[in-house]
Amino acid sequence: SQTIHQWPATLVQPVGSPLSLECTVEGTSNPNLYWYRQAAGRGLQLLFYSVGIGQISSEVPQNLSASRPQDRQFILSSKKLLLSDSGFYLCAWSPTAGEQYFGPGTRLTVT
Amino acid sequence: GIQVEQSPPDLILQEGANSTLRCNFSDSVNNLQWFHQNPWGQLINLFYIPSGTKQNGRLSATTVATERYSLLYISSSQTTDSGVYFCAVREYSTLTFGKGTMLLVSP
Repeated sequence: SQTIHQWPATLVQPVGSPLSLECTVEGTSNPNLYWYRQAAGRGLQLLFYSVGIGQISSEVPQNLSASRPQDRQFILSSKKLLLSDSGFYLCAWSPTAGEQYFGPGTRLTVT
Repeated sequence: GIQVEQSPPDLILQEGANSTLRCNFSDSVNNLQWFHQNPWGQLINLFYIPSGTKQNGRLSATTVATERYSLLYISSSQTTDSGVYFCAVREYSTLTFGKGTMLLVSP
């Protein structure tokens, strides 16, 4: 069966510091991968998605970037964090055309 | 892009009560999913339901794609049903989420 991992689970970082969040999927190949952010107030915002290695689509221009160095690995990065980057970051995967499954999330607090 | 609206935004129930959550969407979609976000933030898949009706225990869902809405039914609610329920619809490769219904089930 497929599983999706995210780490770290929680992170507290100062403003201006770099960020790297990692997401890996097991038990499937060539998945679509997604990064979402959920700020206080519930809504989920799609940040990036990828349909293959090195293929990244950005949905919202911002302080963040994403990379997919391997088939089942998706990384969310920032060179300099802003206070507004605080939130709950969720990674998800899906088959090419099918149901989407979410990881456990990373709670980021920028201080 | 497609718009997704959920109602009601908040709902308080006594344990044992039934409820219906609604999701309206503005355009044709390839699929529709319902999720439950538990108090720890985990998004749990409830239904993948582009059309028709499905049931899983005390929960069931119906999507009427031609009329652009979906309903989630919760029967005999339990305190563990508390959390936020999201509807999400897929256009092409990505999901668009509604703002959710926050459900609180009190004992």
